Amino acid sequence: AQSVTQPDIHITVSEGASLELRCNYSYGATPYLFWYVQSPGQGLQLLLKYFSGDTLVQGIKGFEAEFKRSQSSFNLRKPSVHWSDAAEYFCAVAPYQKVTFGTGTKLQVIP
Amino acid sequence: GAGVSQTPSNKVTEKGKYVELRCDPISGHTALYWYRQSLGQGPEFLIYFQGTGAADDSGLPNDRFFAVRPEGSVSTLKIQRTERGDSAVYLCASSSGQGYNEQFFGPGTRLTVL
Repeated sequence: AQSVTQPDIHITVSEGASLELRCNYSYGATPYLFWYVQSPGQGLQLLLKYFSGDTLVQGIKGFEAEFKRSQSSFNLRKPSVHWSDAAEYFCAVAPYQKVTFGTGTKLQVIP
Repeated sequence: GAGVSQTPSNKVTEKGKYVELRCDPISGHTALYWYRQSLGQGPEFLIYFQGTGAADDSGLPNDRFFAVRPEGSVSTLKIQRTERGDSAVYLCASSSGQGYNEQFFGPGTRLTVL
């Protein structure tokens, strides 16, 4: 069965600083990989997804993620964080329709 | 157009009672999913419908949980004999077509079992 590990429960960054959120997955074949963001009172929103092809994936809101098969990782990055990026971020993996989410990383942005 | 909607937004019930949670997917979306998100956890898959039929119900925790989608649109998640451990946010998502397509999530129903 597939699984996702997000080792950082909580991360604090200064506004304007760069961000990297870690994600490691376990799955026997090439999976579909996703990053979602959840803001308080909001539904989950898809930031980006990887299915195949170019291992560097661009998403919405200036986010990108890189798929590294050798490390079973799919880390999320943003070069300059804005205060509005404060939210909880979930990495997810799916062999098909059944999506497995990680436990999330809560991002705090300080002025 | 309208997104996925879920009602009620909050539900408080007593242990042992029966509850129904409703999901209205995006119009035209044939696939519908239910997830449960406990405090401090990521969403956990419960069940997936393609049309009217449950294509994968492997995530339902036990036989107290049941979901239907009789006309291939609105879905209801039903929980019998609720327990305090059922307290969580129940999320619904929908997507279009076969194969993997982006799932659009609703705001969730927060269930509290006293």
